Amino acid sequence: DAKTTQPTSMDCAEGRAANLPCNHSTISGNEYVYWYRQIHSQGPQYIIHGLKNNETNEMASLIITEDRKSSTLILPHATLRDTAVYYCIVRDTGNQFYFGTGTSLTVIP
Amino acid sequence: SQTIHQWPATLVQPVGSPLSLECTVEGTSNPNLYWYRQAAGRGLQLLFYSVGIGQISSEVPQNLSASRPQDRQFILSSKKLLLSDSGFYLCAWSVPSMRTDTQYFGPGTRLTVL
Repeated sequence: DAKTTQPTSMDCAEGRAANLPCNHSTISGNEYVYWYRQIHSQGPQYIIHGLKNNETNEMASLIITEDRKSSTLILPHATLRDTAVYYCIVRDTGNQFYFGTGTSLTVIP
Repeated sequence: SQTIHQWPATLVQPVGSPLSLECTVEGTSNPNLYWYRQAAGRGLQLLFYSVGIGQISSEVPQNLSASRPQDRQFILSSKKLLLSDSGFYLCAWSVPSMRTDTQYFGPGTRLTVL
């Protein structure tokens, strides 16, 4: 079962920052937070992951709260190609990722 | 660099027919391999994973089976397809023995059972 809660859908204006929230209140101390996205009819694409500290790469930034019970994925300048379903995943102790239904992000021109 | 291939990209099969979907990974050795299914409008469901040749773990009871005849080849099969087997099938790989191993997905196979 997914250990995360995400809004079903969000809109964002093109060129603005997209902030996608995720709640994971039952996360354990050694579990990482991962973000993937899935553009329609394609395989999921890895975006970023983190444990405690905030992380940034060429695609996005990940902000994790100090108590680690929630996180936010930030796409700094959303483009139309960022329209996708975004999955927040907490990885358990095995080699398994549990994908929920994610947040459907629509970037509006 | 590593790449993952899946074929066919789309498949339409009648109920009761057999199924074979293939996944291969290039550019890495001894990867962990995974099969997921995604029903329309749903999240991904892990079906099988493999940590080595001939080693298959099943996550849910179902009409499907998986095999790993070679290190970088993962096959999903069925002897008789059901309507409920329709969906988007995704193969993924990861580097084993790393706590933060990231899974990388293939392009998927869209299966329609009629």
